[in-house]
Amino acid sequence: EIVMTQSPATLSVSPGERATLSCRASQSVSSNLAWYQQKPGQAPRLLIYGASTRATGIPARFSGSGSGTEFTLTISSLQSEDFAVYYCQQYNNWYTFGQGTKLEIK
Amino acid sequence: QLQLQESGPGLVKPSETLSLTCTVSGGSISSSSYYWGWIRQPPGKGLEWIGSIYYSGSTYYNPSLKSRVTISVDTSKNQFSLKLSSVTAADTAVYYCATPAVAGDAFDIWGQGTMVTVSS
Repeated sequence: EIVMTQSPATLSVSPGERATLSCRASQSVSSNLAWYQQKPGQAPRLLIYGASTRATGIPARFSGSGSGTEFTLTISSLQSEDFAVYYCQQYNNWYTFGQGTKLEIK
Repeated sequence: QLQLQESGPGLVKPSETLSLTCTVSGGSISSSSYYWGWIRQPPGKGLEWIGSIYYSGSTYYNPSLKSRVTISVDTSKNQFSLKLSSVTAADTAVYYCATPAVAGDAFDIWGQGTMVTVSS
């Protein structure tokens, strides 16, 4: 099983600032990496797939990078609606998710 | 536009079988363009893939759950289903159905989720 490790567990950032979230895979997943946003009481929402491709309707302030075992999700200028939990997911060998990063208002 | 909706009992007794259905609208469940999955999330915790089924009927399960899981498709009703046997309190979770519609193999279409509690 491929283990996905996200850091930090909690990230405190002020609105308008940049947020950088990290995800590490226990073995290479190539570019088969997705990022999801989840708000309380809602299903996850796909933000990024293929490590760097924005899903339909996702604002340009969200960007993904990386390949192999190291990945990053960057939110360039935080809006109030961006404060949520973010999960990475590998789909190179079935599916495993990271434990999540909670992005909170500083 | 493809939409998914989970349904099933919200309460299941320990040792019994959890049964959920996902109804697909806006597309055909037997289309070769799609495959279908179940994911769950225990309260306050992260996401866990349970398994997936392809239009051909081939199924793939999380090894940690494989001995207890069955996923099947009912093409006449445009639905797919999850059965999880011998449930315990650890199976209490929100259960989501989802599909990778246009985003490679990432799940870009999700149902709203249904909470299932295992308790006597």
